[in-house]
Amino acid sequence: GQQVMQIPQYQHVQEGEDFTTYCNSSTTLSNIQWYKQRPGGHPVFLIQLVKSGEVKKQKRLTFQFGEAKKNSSLHITATQTTDVGTYFCAGNNNDMRFGAGTRLTVKP
Amino acid sequence: EAQVTQNPRYLITVTGKKLTVTCSQNMNHEYMSWYRQDPGLGLRQIYYSMNVEVTDKGDVPEGYKVSRKEKRNFPLILESPSPNQTSLYFCASSSTRRVGELFFGEGSRLTVL
Repeated sequence: GQQVMQIPQYQHVQEGEDFTTYCNSSTTLSNIQWYKQRPGGHPVFLIQLVKSGEVKKQKRLTFQFGEAKKNSSLHITATQTTDVGTYFCAGNNNDMRFGAGTRLTVKP
Repeated sequence: EAQVTQNPRYLITVTGKKLTVTCSQNMNHEYMSWYRQDPGLGLRQIYYSMNVEVTDKGDVPEGYKVSRKEKRNFPLILESPSPNQTSLYFCASSSTRRVGELFFGEGSRLTVL
């Protein structure tokens, strides 16, 4: 069945440094979503990517969908303490599969 | 305010004592789903429902039941809870026009002793 792998599992950065999390699927995806979960909170939808090679930006966040629609990345430029949390990708191909998440901590 | 409401938020119970976690959404969403979240495993789908009276198994349905008698409600039933069902549970909903854009409830932390 479809599997979605996400790396790294943890990332600790100094405030101001960049951060990237990667998501890889074993099968071609129809689309992919990204979610953020703050510590003690619930996942919150960030964005959906649909097209091959698509790139979307939300302020300091850049989301990419691979040309083959099997991988995706989330890049945060100049991290802030408000960016802490776990970032999940969710690949969709008839059914939805979440990656295990990347937990980001930011040192002030 | 658009929201997904789960109850209870926290529960400690004992093995074998039936329990129900309720989930209600006020966005008229057709799609609803239950997930469990365990450290290092991300979110795993338990059951989902595309609409009223339509439910399907997710990846980890064993030991759980659901029902969808009304569009707004999607309760999760543990008929005979076991310690391996200790977890953080999330209910989520979405419009079928935007299935990937899930709205999650606050979560229900369940401990089975």
